[in-house]
Amino acid sequence: GENVEQHPSTLSVQEGDSAVIKCTYSDSASNYFPWYKQELGKRPQLIIDIRSNVGEKKDQRIAVTLNKTAKHFSLHITETQPEDSAVYFCAAVEEGKSWGKFQFGAGTQVVVTP
Amino acid sequence: ETGVTQSPTHLIKTRGQQVTLRCSSQSGHNTVSWYQQALGQGPQFIFQYYREEENGRGNFPPRFSGLQFPNYSSELNVNALELDDSALYLCASSLQGVGEQYFGPGTRLTVT
Repeated sequence: GENVEQHPSTLSVQEGDSAVIKCTYSDSASNYFPWYKQELGKRPQLIIDIRSNVGEKKDQRIAVTLNKTAKHFSLHITETQPEDSAVYFCAAVEEGKSWGKFQFGAGTQVVVTP
Repeated sequence: ETGVTQSPTHLIKTRGQQVTLRCSSQSGHNTVSWYQQALGQGPQFIFQYYREEENGRGNFPPRFSGLQFPNYSSELNVNALELDDSALYLCASSLQGVGEQYFGPGTRLTVT
């Protein structure tokens, strides 16, 4: 069946260090891979996404890489700051299909310590 | 913040009761998806509505049903509530066929 696995489940980093979260997916038809950040008690917010026609995308301190052959994609946060502390979710979906059933990972709790 | 709104914010119901949750989509969006998020878990896809019809469903029983209205707002109805239905219910709006979707603030449902 379709599923997305996300690792690690928790990640503690020192302020200024880098954080990397990895996801693997099983549905080879997936072609859109967003990342969401969810702070405690708040809605998931889209922070970056990538489509299957590119291998890497960067937006300031965050970047996402995609390896379609291996069916995995990763979120990279550089120069982490305390405000990066949150739960991060990856997802995979087949964009352009008549309906989009998002498969979410279980989430990664990131704690950035000053 | 997105333009997606949900009501109510919190709700407490008794097992066996029925509940209706509401979602207003972001301006310009024609598709609404509903998710259930249990504590410490990722959102689980319930179903999606487009053109006032259910347009895809996850692994949820028929007692989870919904509606979409001509203005693209949507309702999620859950009948015969069970304790395990306690969760945060999120709706997300998007354009049909396009990946970016934006979440509302959620409705926290507690079933006792």
